[in-house]
Amino acid sequence: QLQLQESGPGLVKPSETLSLTCTVSGGSISSSSYYWGWIRQPPGKGLEWIGIIYYDGSPYYNPSLKSRITISVDTSKNQFSLKLNSVTAADTAVYYCARHTTRARGVGATDYWGQGTLVTVSS
Amino acid sequence: EIVLTQSPGTLSLSPGERATLSCRASQSVSSSYLAWYQQKPGQAPRLLIYGASSRATGIPDRFSGSGSGTDFTLTINRLEPEDFAVYYCQQYGSSPLTFGGGTKVEIK
Repeated sequence: QLQLQESGPGLVKPSETLSLTCTVSGGSISSSSYYWGWIRQPPGKGLEWIGIIYYDGSPYYNPSLKSRITISVDTSKNQFSLKLNSVTAADTAVYYCARHTTRARGVGATDYWGQGTLVTVSS
Repeated sequence: EIVLTQSPGTLSLSPGERATLSCRASQSVSSSYLAWYQQKPGQAPRLLIYGASSRATGIPDRFSGSGSGTDFTLTINRLEPEDFAVYYCQQYGSSPLTFGGGTKVEIK
């Protein structure tokens, strides 16, 4: 059974960098059949797609966050990571790592999710 | 980007009733690349429907999806107690992927 687990600090100071890692178990991150990505959800609000990465390292970002984010993959550790810099209180959210299927010429639906980790931006 | 508008915001129903949830897109969703998710409090979303009408693995057949273009519907027949939750639609036909604001199905 595929499992995804987020890890990283639960509290980040304003203007600093949020860093999260997702460890994948029960499956290989090197599969060409999937993309790996991040989705966030502010407390009591809806879902926002952050971006994805393919096993070859090709990233695709939400334009609204593109200038502040980096998603990378480490196939040797079966992990992928998110860095979001210059954070503000508006970045406070539950951050989910997730697996996306593939479709013809692109990314598909999100079929597996981590349990999510709350990151609070506060001094 | 494609904006998805879900309605109603809240649906109050009794167990055994049918729920009909709507998701309207600001522009046509390519090849019906539309998914539905269920989220319960404190849990991650769960994929229910992809490709507008295909049920994900393990999803009961009381859940069905339909629609194309800009108008999509999730129908839940004979609501079970465990179906009361928030439901989101998502389009993955164009980047960035986007989600609707959600519909809460609550017990009447």
